[in-house]
Amino acid sequence: DAKTTQPPSMDCAEGRAANLPCNHSTISGNEYVYWYRQIHSQGPQYIIHGLKNNETNEMASLIITEDRKSSTLILPHATLRDTAVYYCIVRRGQNFVFGPGTRLSVLP
Amino acid sequence: NAGVTQTPKFRVLKTGQSMTLLCAQDMNHEYMYWYRQDPGMGLRLIHYSVGEGTTAKGEVPDGYNVSRLKKQNFLLGLESAAPSQTSVYFCASLAGQGNQPQHFGDGTRLSIL
Repeated sequence: DAKTTQPPSMDCAEGRAANLPCNHSTISGNEYVYWYRQIHSQGPQYIIHGLKNNETNEMASLIITEDRKSSTLILPHATLRDTAVYYCIVRRGQNFVFGPGTRLSVLP
Repeated sequence: NAGVTQTPKFRVLKTGQSMTLLCAQDMNHEYMYWYRQDPGMGLRLIHYSVGEGTTAKGEVPDGYNVSRLKKQNFLLGLESAAPSQTSVYFCASLAGQGNQPQHFGDGTRLSIL
C-alpha cells in the first residue's frame, strides 16, 4: 500500500489558515488522495479527495503538487471545533490505509 | 439519513465470553469494513467484504470472524474475548464504483475484563 507521512502534531491560531502537509512519494498514477478527520473518538469524517487537480469544497481545499508526491490540506479559517486528528490516505483499489495522522490543535 | 449504524455503542465483556457486533448500511454499498482503533493509533483493518457472501482478512484478523449474509449487514464476531481485544471498533462502507469516500459508523467501545 502507498505509504503516507504526516507530522504528528501541529498548532494553529483560531481564525488563521491551517495548512496540513502530507508526503506520499510512492503514489501511483491512478491513486486518489483522501483526507479524513477524527474528533475525539468519533468515527472518521470525510473531508475531501483528489487525483491531481486542486480541489475545494465547503470544508477545505486540497493542493496536490504537480509530481503528486505530496499534498496539503488547507482549512482557510480554523475554529476551535476543527481541533482533531487529520488523516491523509492514498487509496489503492478498495483499500484505505490509516496512519497515525496529524493532531491539529486550534488555539484561542 | 442513517448511513452506517453500529450496535451496540458500548459493551463490557469478561475474558472468554463471545459477542457479535452489528454494522448496517442503507446506501446499497458493495464494500464493507471492520477496523479497530487503539489509543493514539490510526485505524487497523480487521476484515472486509467486497460483496454479499464474501469476506477477506485485513491487517489484524486473528481472534475475529465476520459474515456478510445480507448486502446491508456486516457482522464482526469475537468467539472467545481476550483483554487484548479491548478497543474501539469502527465499521465503514464504500460504493463499489467510482472514487467516492468511505462512510463510517460512530464506533463500538468494547472493554474486555
